Amino acid sequence: EPEVTQTPSHQVTQMGQEVILRCVPISNHLYFYWYRQILGQKVEFLVSFYNNEISEKSEIFDDQFSVERPDGSNFTLKIRSTKLEDSAMYFCASSRGNQGYGYTFGSGTRLTVV
Amino acid sequence: AQTVTQSQPEMSVQEAETVTLSCTYDTSESNYYLFWYKQPPSRQMILVIRQEAYKQQNATENRFSVNFQKAAKSFSLKISDSQLGDTAMYFCAFMKEGGSNYKLTFGKGTLLTVNP
Repeated sequence: EPEVTQTPSHQVTQMGQEVILRCVPISNHLYFYWYRQILGQKVEFLVSFYNNEISEKSEIFDDQFSVERPDGSNFTLKIRSTKLEDSAMYFCASSRGNQGYGYTFGSGTRLTVV
Repeated sequence: AQTVTQSQPEMSVQEAETVTLSCTYDTSESNYYLFWYKQPPSRQMILVIRQEAYKQQNATENRFSVNFQKAAKSFSLKISDSQLGDTAMYFCAFMKEGGSNYKLTFGKGTLLTVNP
């Protein structure tokens, strides 16, 4: 069964450093997403991406965040200057666009900012 | 804006028994989709079951079924013949129909433990 692949599975970074989280969505999917889950809390929407542009972003997704689909297969989330409160599990997801079928999520990247 | 409420932070059930997880939501939309996702200790989010709001019939997937009450804005998940592998965090989620963004709004989750 096709999978959404995220790398790395765990990343530790110093506060103020830039990090790039990588995702390879399912190949025939058209919509891509990033969600965040702070430990013990609910999963929160960050951004959705369609047709090579952001279609919606949440208030969490400020100027420190950016997304890119650089080569038609990878989908990346960049955090320019990490803060302690950015420590969380970051999930990438993709969908074909048939809403009723939901998404396929990746296994997540656990980001720890120290 | 939509909100999703899961009022049971934790639940436990004995293996082979049946358990029901509650979910309520608030929306002014008339067309939407509802989902239950499972997050085992591996942390991956796995789709368990989905329901289209325009369908009156409750969705069923093997041991998993829902009780969808549109007027009450309630969407509970019933797990029959619980298995140890069902131990996980369960999230209820809402998606509005239409538009160009298919954003999911999640509840806070219910941690289900299946005891041997």
